[in-house]
Formats: sequence, structure tokens, C-alpha cells
Amino acid sequence: LAKTTQPISMDSYEGQEVNITCSHNNIATNDYITWYQQFPSQGPRFIIQGYKTKVTNEVASLFIPADRKSSTLSLPRVSLSDTAVYYCLSRQLTFGSGTQLTVLP
Amino acid sequence: EAGVAQSPRYKIIEKRQSVAFWCNPISGHATLYWYQQILGQGPKLLIQFQNNGVVDDSQLPKDRFSAERLKGVDSTLKIQPAKLEDSAVYLCASSTPGPSVYEQYFGPGTRLTVT
Repeated sequence: LAKTTQPISMDSYEGQEVNITCSHNNIATNDYITWYQQFPSQGPRFIIQGYKTKVTNEVASLFIPADRKSSTLSLPRVSLSDTAVYYCLSRQLTFGSGTQLTVLP
Repeated sequence: EAGVAQSPRYKIIEKRQSVAFWCNPISGHATLYWYQQILGQGPKLLIQFQNNGVVDDSQLPKDRFSAERLKGVDSTLKIQPAKLEDSAVYLCASSTPGPSVYEQYFGPGTRLTVT
């Protein structure tokens, strides 16, 4: 079963760029990498998805190296409202424990 | 567009009682998912429907959990009888086939407390 490994928690300050790396050594050839954000008392919210190289949208960037065994979610200039749990999925419906990002003033 | 609707938002029951949760997905979304999220953990898939057929229910504890999606629209998840370890948030999500096939839209969840 494909499993992802992410840091349990990260702290950052407002205005900084935050990079959260996820390891997915057993990713299957046809699997995409997807990131979700979850605030307390809410369901997860889709952030970004990619297969290889780099994907960018209005919220974040996703960097995936050629071997696809890891990926990095990049959040530019975070604000207090970005404090949340971030989940990396390498198998579409399998969530890990996520990374608690805390943005400090 | 309207999001995924779930009800109730909160439910407290005693062990061995039964409970049902309801979900209405985003209009036009053929795929519907039920997840269980225990405090401090990521969501765990219980069952996936494609229209009104079950795609994956391998992690559904079928001795006490059941789910249906009649007419391929809204869905009900039932627990009977409930155990203490069923205390969790039950999340419903929906998606539609397309380029972002893994982009699921989640509802707010139902927080179940079993005492």
C-alpha cells in the first residue's frame, strides 16, 4: 500500500515561503500527487495536484523530481490564515497523518 | 456552486445505539465518498460510490456499517450498533471525472460522539 511520509509539524512566520516535503517511495506509475488543506472543524480542501515536474496555481506550487519519490508543496508568503493541516496523497484516496503548519505573527 | 451538504453536524449517542448520516453531493458529481476521521489522524476511506454502485468498500466494517446511494445522488451512512471507537468525524466528499480526477470536494462532516 502506497504510503506517504511528511513532517508532523512546522512553524513559520507571516510573509515567509513555506516548503513542505512529502516522501512517497512506493508511488505507482499511474498515481498523481495531490495536496489537501484542512482547517479545524472543516473537511479537507484540494490545493494542488501534479504528476511530474512543476505545477503552479493561484495558491501554491508543487515540485516533483524526475524519480517522483518525493514532492514539495510551496506556499508563498504565508499568512496567519494558512495555519492548517496539510496532507500529501500519492494514492488518490489514502490520507496520511498530515503536517500541522502553524504561522506565527 | 453549492458545496457538499451533510447532516446532522453533531450527534451524541450511547454505545449499541444506531445512527445515520446523510450526504448530498455537488450536483452532477457521479462519485461519492465516505471517510472516517479520528481525532489527530487523516481521513480514512470507508466507501466509494460511482453513481449508485459501490467501487470500493474494502475498509468498511460491514458487520456494523452500511451505506447506500439510491438513485445515484444523495447517500446515507449507518452505524448499527455503535461502539465507543466509532467516535469520529464522518466526512462525505464528491468528485467528477475529469483532468483532476482526484480533486474531491468535502462536506463539513458530522461529528459523532459515542458514550
